[in-house]
Amino acid sequence: DAKTTQPNSMESNEEEPVHLPCNHSTISGTDYIHWYRQLPSQGPEYVIHGLTSNVNNRMASLAIAEDRKSSTLILHRATLRDAAVYYCILRDVIINYKLIFGSGTRLLVRP
Amino acid sequence: NAGVTQTPKFQVLKTGQSMTLQCAQDMNHEYMSWYRQDPGMGLRLIHYSVGAGITDQGEVPNGYNVSRSTTEDFPLRLLSAAPSQTSVYFCASSSGLAGGLEQFFGPGTRLTVL
Repeated sequence: DAKTTQPNSMESNEEEPVHLPCNHSTISGTDYIHWYRQLPSQGPEYVIHGLTSNVNNRMASLAIAEDRKSSTLILHRATLRDAAVYYCILRDVIINYKLIFGSGTRLLVRP
Repeated sequence: NAGVTQTPKFQVLKTGQSMTLQCAQDMNHEYMSWYRQDPGMGLRLIHYSVGAGITDQGEVPNGYNVSRSTTEDFPLRLLSAAPSQTSVYFCASSSGLAGGLEQFFGPGTRLTVL
C-alpha cells in the first residue's frame, strides 16, 4: 500500500483559509486520494476524495498536483468546529477493503 | 437514517472477561468493518465483512471474533479480554469496496480492560 506523509500539526485563525498538505510520492495510477477528519471523541468523518482533477464539495476543496505525488486539502474559512485530526489516505480505485490511517495532521483553530 | 450505531459507548472489563460490541447500520450497506484506535494513533483494521455470511481478517485480528448473520449487524466479540485490548473501537460501513466510495463510521466504543 502506498504511504502518505503529513505534518503532525498546523494552526490557523478562525475565518481564514487553511491548506493542509499531503505527500504521496509512491501513489499508483489506480489510487484515489481520500481525506477524512476526526473531531475530538468522535469517529472519522469523510471529507472529500479525488483521482486526478481538483474537487470541490460543501466541506472543502481538494487540489491534486499534476504528477499526483502530492495533494492539498483546502478549508476556505476555518471555524472552531474544524479543529480535528485530518487524515490523507490512498485507496485503490478497483477494490480496497481497508483505509490505512497514518497519524494525520492535528489542526488547531484559534478564535 | 440513524447511520452507523454502536453500543455500548463505554465499557470496563476485567482481564479474562468476555463481551460483545454491537454495531448496526440502516443504510443497506454490504461492507462493514471494525477498527481499533489506540491513544495518539490512527485506526487499524481488525475484521471486515463484504456481505452477510462473509467475514475476513484485517491487520490486527488476534483476540477478536466476528460474524455477519444479517446485512444490518456486525458484532465484535472479545472472548477473553486482555489489557492490550484497551482501546476505542469504531465500526464502519460502505456500499461497496470500490476506491471511490466513502466509509461511514460509528461514534465508537471506549473499552478499558483492567
